[in-house]
Amino acid sequence: EAVVAQSPRYKIIEKRQSVAFWCNPISGHATLYWYQQILGQGPKLLIQFQNNGVVDDSQLPKDRFSAERLKGVDSTLKIQPAKLEDSAVYLCASSLDRGQVTHFGNGTRLTVT
Amino acid sequence: GEDVEQSLFLSVREGDSSVINCTYTDSSSTYLYWYKQEPGAGLQLLTYIFSNMDMKQDQRLTVLLNKKDKHLSLRIADTQTGDSAIYFCAESGGNAGNMLTFGGGTRLMVKP
Repeated sequence: EAVVAQSPRYKIIEKRQSVAFWCNPISGHATLYWYQQILGQGPKLLIQFQNNGVVDDSQLPKDRFSAERLKGVDSTLKIQPAKLEDSAVYLCASSLDRGQVTHFGNGTRLTVT
Repeated sequence: GEDVEQSLFLSVREGDSSVINCTYTDSSSTYLYWYKQEPGAGLQLLTYIFSNMDMKQDQRLTVLLNKKDKHLSLRIADTQTGDSAIYFCAESGGNAGNMLTFGGGTRLMVKP
């Protein structure tokens, strides 16, 4: 079964440090998403890529968050510097194309102390 | 912005049916989804329904969509302890574009 792969599974950092998350979408999926899920809430979109271009980053806190998908396959999400309120699960998802069924990875659980 | 609402908690006995409800505001949604999330895990796609359908059945799962009332439900027949998890309703297409807008999740507890 094709899966969305994410690493690391867990990360603990101190506030003001930097962190990066990696995602490998399902092979052939053109659309890639990063979602943030704060404990007790539903996921919220941070950024959406179509191939290597950004479609929607309106909810991304651009003063500290950045993301790229240079070759239109893998993607990285970076936080620099981290704040306490960034503690959450960061979920990567992909779909064959825009508007198609979306599949999620297991996420990276970030704890900022 | 668009909104998706779910009740927080549902408790049922093993073997009973569970019905999880969801309401949404975007009348132009294209797809409506149900995802399952177990502790420490990602989101598992359970089922989805196109907005031009009223019902979809998949083994123990039945999805009902009432477009007029913007109401979506997930029925799990013969609920098992392994069904205990958080269930998220989500919609996409429509005014929000291709992104998924999620509800806050319903925690289903199945008692033996």
